[in-house]
Amino acid sequence: QSVLTQPPSASGTPGQRVTISCSGSSSNIGRNYVYWYQQLPGTAPKLLIDRNDQRPSGVPDRFSGSKSDTSASLAISGLRSEDEADYYCAAYDDGLNGPVFGGGTKLTVL
Amino acid sequence: QVQLVQSESELKKPGASVKISCKASGYNFISYAMNWVRQAPGQGLEWMGWIDTNTGNPTYAQGFTGRFVFSLDTSVSTAYLQISSLKAEDTAVYFCARDLSLGVSCDFWGQGTLVTVSS
Repeated sequence: QSVLTQPPSASGTPGQRVTISCSGSSSNIGRNYVYWYQQLPGTAPKLLIDRNDQRPSGVPDRFSGSKSDTSASLAISGLRSEDEADYYCAAYDDGLNGPVFGGGTKLTVL
Repeated sequence: QVQLVQSESELKKPGASVKISCKASGYNFISYAMNWVRQAPGQGLEWMGWIDTNTGNPTYAQGFTGRFVFSLDTSVSTAYLQISSLKAEDTAVYFCARDLSLGVSCDFWGQGTLVTVSS
């Protein structure tokens, strides 16, 4: 059971916009930044969104992050086949004194 | 360019130990802490803890105390994860990841090391 809650799956067709949600609590998302990682099949995770809504260098602007209260969302616009991957949200948890991850959302591009 | 290169996959019997290496290059090794993250087969990411590469002081997440040890050899810019008394449930891919902030923000990752524990 992950501390942060994500839907296990999401899907969309090429060109569509999809969003992935991440729900937490006052001890994590409610008072700390949210981060998003993309994990392509068989590879290491890649930092996709930093500090709620910042894109690291090289991340396309099709990816965007937002946060409100104890929830966060990752939006992917102009969906492409290469976006098919697992997506994880993460945040620091003040109660656990460490980072916590969501269970991951498997994105399928139909 | 920044790279983290991990050691190869390991097959171990229950009760044995394993030591995984993570060799860093392309940056000043002691300027960034190193995190360790576990991913069991078909499962999500789990933060195991981190080690301060400047002081060598490790911090372990809940559930990763006792059998798990983080260490360094700064002379070769390498971090290590040792797991003792291996159990079947330790079967997973283990990643090292360079820390930007509190273990939550990791900008470079090793390729992962698969540890399989089976009799």
